[in-house]
Amino acid sequence: KAGVTQTPRYLIKTRGQQVTLSCSPISGHRSVSWYQQTPGQGLQFLFEYFSETQRNKGNFPGRFSGRQFSNSRSEMNVSTLELGDSALYLCASSLGGLVEHTQYFGPGTRLTVL
Amino acid sequence: AQRVTQPEKLLSVFKGAPVELKCNYSYSGSPELFWYVQYSRQRLQLLLRHISRESIKGFTADLNKGETSFHLKKPFAQEEDSAMYYCALRRQAGNTPLVFGKGTRLSVIA
Repeated sequence: KAGVTQTPRYLIKTRGQQVTLSCSPISGHRSVSWYQQTPGQGLQFLFEYFSETQRNKGNFPGRFSGRQFSNSRSEMNVSTLELGDSALYLCASSLGGLVEHTQYFGPGTRLTVL
Repeated sequence: AQRVTQPEKLLSVFKGAPVELKCNYSYSGSPELFWYVQYSRQRLQLLLRHISRESIKGFTADLNKGETSFHLKKPFAQEEDSAMYYCALRRQAGNTPLVFGKGTRLSVIA
């Protein structure tokens, strides 16, 4: 099976712009979670989507949003970018069931805000 | 709220020496604990989970509810074990988010 893919792999934006990141889960996986990874804060949970519905949400401002499509692909959007949004954004997919929900991670999108 | 603490940012050991990566957690309920590993230029991947009680690549971890710890151990370190290791916790109630520690970089010296 192909692994989780994320596009683009690298992005450079300026303050105030917005950005959209994409994640394609492993085939058959219905849950997609997003994490922000920074040197100072480590890995922090942003949100999780399951069957096109946001099921869990972390403590991030409303500038961070996401959605999931019927094919389970997910996008996250960050509006009005700030310097502190520079980070590696990881997505992870899982079956999403109640019993087996091991998360498989993508390679990440490196966002740099100038 | 759940919290995971990995007290060591960097751990250096010689090849063949025992390894112990520490992980402490705070959570009032019954957690599910994981160790994830990230090798150089590779993606984050699951190493092991406490409910499986298995040994992966020679690593084991035992959940100690009394001490709220989930330390990762290996009796004889190998150079290929050099990587970033993250301990993670999830509430044992279905689909809840993972809470990660900040990670420990293990460096195995030949």
